[in-house]
Amino acid sequence: GQQVKQSSPSLTVQEGGISILNCDYENDMFDYFAWYKKYPDNSPTLLISVRSNVDKREDGRLTVFLNKSGKHFSLHITASQPEDTAVYLCAAGAMGTGNYKYVFGAGTRLKVIA
Amino acid sequence: DAGVTQTPRHEVAEKGQTIILKCEPVSGHNDLFWYRQTKIQGLELLSYFRSKSLMEDGGAFKDRFKAEMLNSSFSTLKIQPTEPKDSAVYLCASRRTGSNERLFFGHGTKLSVL
Repeated sequence: GQQVKQSSPSLTVQEGGISILNCDYENDMFDYFAWYKKYPDNSPTLLISVRSNVDKREDGRLTVFLNKSGKHFSLHITASQPEDTAVYLCAAGAMGTGNYKYVFGAGTRLKVIA
Repeated sequence: DAGVTQTPRHEVAEKGQTIILKCEPVSGHNDLFWYRQTKIQGLELLSYFRSKSLMEDGGAFKDRFKAEMLNSSFSTLKIQPTEPKDSAVYLCASRRTGSNERLFFGHGTKLSVL
């Protein structure tokens, strides 16, 4: 089964609004969490990541929130813009175990409309 | 610096054929991953190499999928025999060993099996 799940396959947000993308995970050993962005016909690129020793990380308009007890993390994009339209993939890894692979979610397609 | 290079960008195969996808990781990266991307499943891990050693091959893909890393700068993914359900985008990614975070992805190979 899927260890990392993005329950919303798509999301539409008005320009200037807040986009909230969610990700749930199953494995208690995950200690690294990331969001990748993918434009059509382009490869995924890392947006932002956090380790499990923090519950929040901000970078400009992006904020990642980590809820370890709920096995959930989210990406908030403030002041959403049309160029934020893309597919967003969440990923988790269990670096502390020495297994350095990442497990990805299926992705959420964000559309920001003017 | 050259990124991850994948060839070909597009491949069309008849059912039952053998196809070989190629990947050149970022120079100096010792971790290499092969993923399959579909709209439903998202990114599924096919293989993971560290310093040319196979660390993991996705269990569900073992019978017809074989990844090899003949040297530190080149990897292949062979699918034999191909089936229509193999139609997907195949992504290769690399990462510096010791850097447990950022994956650099190639543009992928879009495979269509007729």
